[in-house]
Amino acid sequence: EAQVTQNPRYLITVTGKKLTVTCSQNMNHEYMSWYRQDPGLGLRQIYYSMNVEVTDKGDVPEGYKVSRKEKRNFPLILESPSPNQTSLYFCASGGTGGGETQYFGPGTRLLVL
Amino acid sequence: GQNIDQPTEMTATEGAIVQINCTYQTSGFNGLFWYQQHAGEAPTFLSYNVLDGLEEKGRFSSFLSRSKGYSYLLLKELQMKDSASYLCAPQGGGSYIPTFGRGTSLIVHP
Repeated sequence: EAQVTQNPRYLITVTGKKLTVTCSQNMNHEYMSWYRQDPGLGLRQIYYSMNVEVTDKGDVPEGYKVSRKEKRNFPLILESPSPNQTSLYFCASGGTGGGETQYFGPGTRLLVL
Repeated sequence: GQNIDQPTEMTATEGAIVQINCTYQTSGFNGLFWYQQHAGEAPTFLSYNVLDGLEEKGRFSSFLSRSKGYSYLLLKELQMKDSASYLCAPQGGGSYIPTFGRGTSLIVHP
């Protein structure tokens, strides 16, 4: 089954404690992306990757890191989480052609205390 | 960047028709997606328009006018399960990667 998986699905942590949210896709997509979603603000892009070892900042990259060492994986790293990073996070992957949609993971709900 | 404008919230009655509008301003426009997102869940693909006109897909249709920077999503025979957020996502800046609007929350009541 074609899918994007994220782990963990739910996470409660404390300020300053490094964490990683994993994302994996099995569709051989070159493009992968991370979004955060907050009430009233919609989906905002954090980082994206057009291929292995190629990553770029999105609209809200501060406080986040990513890596793309393999095509299927695109982890999101919060080196020192803060309460303003409490949010719902989505990973997505897709083709880069005209009508190719993005496929979203199920989301990770993060609470930083 | 891209300016995407869609209503924040709409309400409609079960069985009715509703039209969700989206206007956008972007250079290098390539096409426009609509996604559906139920509360707390991932967005899922509904439609993609690249040419002007109406694309019909069952109860859902999507319209695009490239010259006006305008699209709408038309939902017919509304069902309670259509209560969700609908995201307009144009591809612009010469890229095929979409940018998402803030979404329109549709509430369908009996």
